[in-house]
Amino acid sequence: DIQMTQSPSSLSASVGDRVTITCRASQSISSHLNWYQQKPGKAPKVLIYLASSLRSGVPSRFSGSGSGTEFTLTISSLQPEDFATYFCQQSYSSRTFGQGTRVEIK
Amino acid sequence: QVQLVQSGAEVKKPGASVKVSCRVSGYTLSELSINWVRQAPGKGLEWMGGFDPVNGKKIFARKFQSRVTMTDDTSADTAYMELSSLRSEDTAMYYCATANWEYFDYWGQGTLVTVSS
Repeated sequence: DIQMTQSPSSLSASVGDRVTITCRASQSISSHLNWYQQKPGKAPKVLIYLASSLRSGVPSRFSGSGSGTEFTLTISSLQPEDFATYFCQQSYSSRTFGQGTRVEIK
Repeated sequence: QVQLVQSGAEVKKPGASVKVSCRVSGYTLSELSINWVRQAPGKGLEWMGGFDPVNGKKIFARKFQSRVTMTDDTSADTAYMELSSLRSEDTAMYYCATANWEYFDYWGQGTLVTVSS
């Protein structure tokens, strides 16, 4: 099974900060990597698919990059509504999620 | 617009089974690839299994293969997930979600399953 490892597990940031979250796969997954945002008490929603494609309706401050085994999610200027937990998920071989990164207010 | 509505919260004793339903609207069940994802309290997301639109069959996470059954009632546009031999570690929010070739795009509201003696 493909394992997904995110770092950091949590971070504190201020409004306006640039935030980067990393996701590493235990083997190459090409570009089959998606990013989700989850707020407390809500189901996750997809932000980025196929490593770098922005889902319709998602603000352009979110971006994704990477291929193979290393991927990043970047929020260019953190907004109050972005404080949430972010998960990566691979779809190369069945499906696996990373353990999540909690973005908190500094 | 796709909507997924799940059944209500359940409390079960260790060793019992639980069956969670997921009723779809906006599309027929046959047009969708329903998957199941769970989340233990304060923990991450865990994919359990579901219909894979790439190869056209149901696939399961190795961890759940022996304990999970996923069925469909196309006449009622409802998918079901049954988990057997419950233990305390199965206490979690269970979500149904539609899967396309890459990601999970529409999600149910979640069903809380509590396993407690």
